[in-house]
Parts: sequence; structure tokens; C-alpha cells
Amino acid sequence: ETGVTQTPRHLVMGMTNKKSLKCEQHLGHNAMYWYKQSAKKPLELMFVYSLEERVENNSVPSRFSPECPNSSHLFLHLHTLQPEDSALYLCASSPTTGHNEKLFFGSGTQLSVL
Amino acid sequence: DAKTTQPNSMESNEEEPVHLPCNHSTISGTDYIHWYRQLPSQGPEYVIHGLTSNVNNRMASLAIAEDRKSSTLILHRATLRDAAVYYCILRDYQAGGTSYGKLTFGQGTILTVHP
Repeated sequence: ETGVTQTPRHLVMGMTNKKSLKCEQHLGHNAMYWYKQSAKKPLELMFVYSLEERVENNSVPSRFSPECPNSSHLFLHLHTLQPEDSALYLCASSPTTGHNEKLFFGSGTQLSVL
Repeated sequence: DAKTTQPNSMESNEEEPVHLPCNHSTISGTDYIHWYRQLPSQGPEYVIHGLTSNVNNRMASLAIAEDRKSSTLILHRATLRDAAVYYCILRDYQAGGTSYGKLTFGQGTILTVHP
């Protein structure tokens, strides 16, 4: 148990659907991250939030829309996805965005786009 | 971030030590060496990190070469629960830098532990 909880664990959606991934951390951290892990590819950073402000958007298509309403919650809103967006989406948090902070990851949401 | 090179896979027997190598020949003076591992069906978890000196914690030891161009993660007694993908990551901080705490993952080393 890392203190970072992601829901749902699994999600199947069609290309015309809209869905949201949720991440919640109970660690009192101020920084939160979305990563994408596609099959046979390294984890890729998508977004970074610090104190609810987005500080990095790693060239992610607009069909992925993050939201951070407070420092404990992070959402990833999905719409009109493509089959190649099927992947494991991982949320992480850290105390700050300092260079030596440990990141704590959730178990991820396995997304399948049909 | 500077690049690291790790073997694609390694195997070990249970209760034996495991030495996982990482090459980082282009490491800069401000790069810290971090190790994370990812167990099956889970997100990555922090293992250990260091700058110049060898480091020990309850999970593992990190041995850093004197020239810092390579490092080795040491699991002193492998268990079946140590089977995972191990990532060696360099994290750079320059004064005023904007790395925003991100980790840049490579392919990692798949460690298989045999009973």
C-alpha cells in the first residue's frame, strides 16, 4: 500500500466515450503526476502538477485532459481516444517537485480502447 | 536527463545475492542515481538513491563507481518477491532547473528469481 489509490483498476471504452481516471493520495504531498506505460515501451511522463497548478505538459494530445482540484486528487479526463491509447495509466505523488523527492506510485488503471 | 544502460534481463536463485549493473558514462556532476522497481501489476516503487558514496537501506545497497560512470544495485538475498523490472534513473538538478521532480524511465532490467 503506497498511499496512492487509483480507480478504476480496469477500464474498457469505445472511441466515442468520455471517461475519467481518478487518483487520490493520502500522503499530504504537494506534487502529482500522470504517467503512461504502453506495452513494451518505457513509462512516459504526461503531466505534472505542483500545488494544484500544472507545471508540465509533456506534448500530450488534447484528448487527454488533466484536472487537479486539490493537492490530494488528480483526474485524467478522456474523450475520443484511439486504440493506440490503450495502456496502463499510472498516477504518482511526491512531497514537492524537488529533484530528489521519492515518487510514490499507484497501481494504475489498465485502459483498453476499442 | 543523461542516459543509462542496463541489461535487458537477469536471473537469480532465491536467497542468493543479485548484482544489477547500470552504466551511465555521460553522468554529470549534479546527477543523482536513483533506482526504482516495478513488480508485476503494480506501479514502480522507490528502492534507493545516491550521489557519490555507497548507500544502504533495508531494501538494497547501491555501489557507485569512483568515476561515477557506473553503479550496481545489490540485493543481498533475493526472494521470489524481488522478481520485478529494475530501473536505473539519473535525476539532474541544476540551479534554477525545471525538472519538476520527474523521472525519466528506460527499459530497465527484468529480474527473474528461481526458487
